[in-house]
Amino acid sequence: AQTVTQSQPEMSVQEAETVTLSCTYDTSESDYYLFWYKQPPSRQMILVIRQEAYKQQNATENRFSVNFQKAAKSFSLKISDSQLGDAAMYFCAYRGETSGSRLTFGEGTQLTVNP
Amino acid sequence: DTAVSQTPKYLVTQMGNDKSIKCEQNLGHDTMYWYKQDSKKFLKIMFSYNNKELIINETVPNRFSPKSPDKAHLNLHINSLELGDSAVYFCASSQAGFNSPLHFGNGTRLTVT
Repeated sequence: AQTVTQSQPEMSVQEAETVTLSCTYDTSESDYYLFWYKQPPSRQMILVIRQEAYKQQNATENRFSVNFQKAAKSFSLKISDSQLGDAAMYFCAYRGETSGSRLTFGEGTQLTVNP
Repeated sequence: DTAVSQTPKYLVTQMGNDKSIKCEQNLGHDTMYWYKQDSKKFLKIMFSYNNKELIINETVPNRFSPKSPDKAHLNLHINSLELGDSAVYFCASSQAGFNSPLHFGNGTRLTVT
C-alpha cells in the first residue's frame, strides 16, 4: 500500500521569507501524481500544485514550486515570498495508476506566517 | 456556482441518533468520495463511487451507508451515532483517471454528544 509521510507537524516562517515543507512517499507503482493541498482555518481543501511522476521538470504555480526527487521519493513544497494568507495546514497527497481512485494523504504540516 | 456542495455545514446530535449528510457536485465528474478528517486533522478515505457504483469501501463500520442516486449526488447516512464519529466529513469529486485532482466540498463538522 502507498504511504505518504510529512515529518514536520508544524513550521513557521516570517512574512516575505521562503519556507519548504517536506513530504516523502512510498510506492511500487511506476506512474502516479503527487499533490499539495492547503487547508486554511475556513476548512476548505484547496489544490495548490500537482506533479506527474514522469515529468522531470518541477511544477510551479506562482509563488509555489515543488522539488520532486523521484529516486528519493521526495516531494517538497517551496513557498516563496510568504504571505499572511499562506497560513494553513498543508497536505501532501498521492494518487497512483493502480491504486484505484483513492487519494492518499500525509499527516499534514501546520504553517504559521509571522508578520 | 459552487462546485461541490455539502449540507449541513454543522451537525450536532446525540448518541444513538441517525443522521445524513448530503453532497452534490456540478462539475460533471464521474467519481465521488467521502473522506473523514479526525481531530488530528488526518484525512482518510471512507467510500468512493464511480457512476453510482461503489468502488472503494474502506474499513468503515456498517453503521455508515453511502447512497448515490445519480453520479452528481453522494449522500452519507450514519446510524446509531457514537461519540467516536465526531469528525469533519468531506465530500469530493474528480474525473476518472489518476491524474485528476479531487475537488472538495467545505466539509460537515459532526459533533456527537
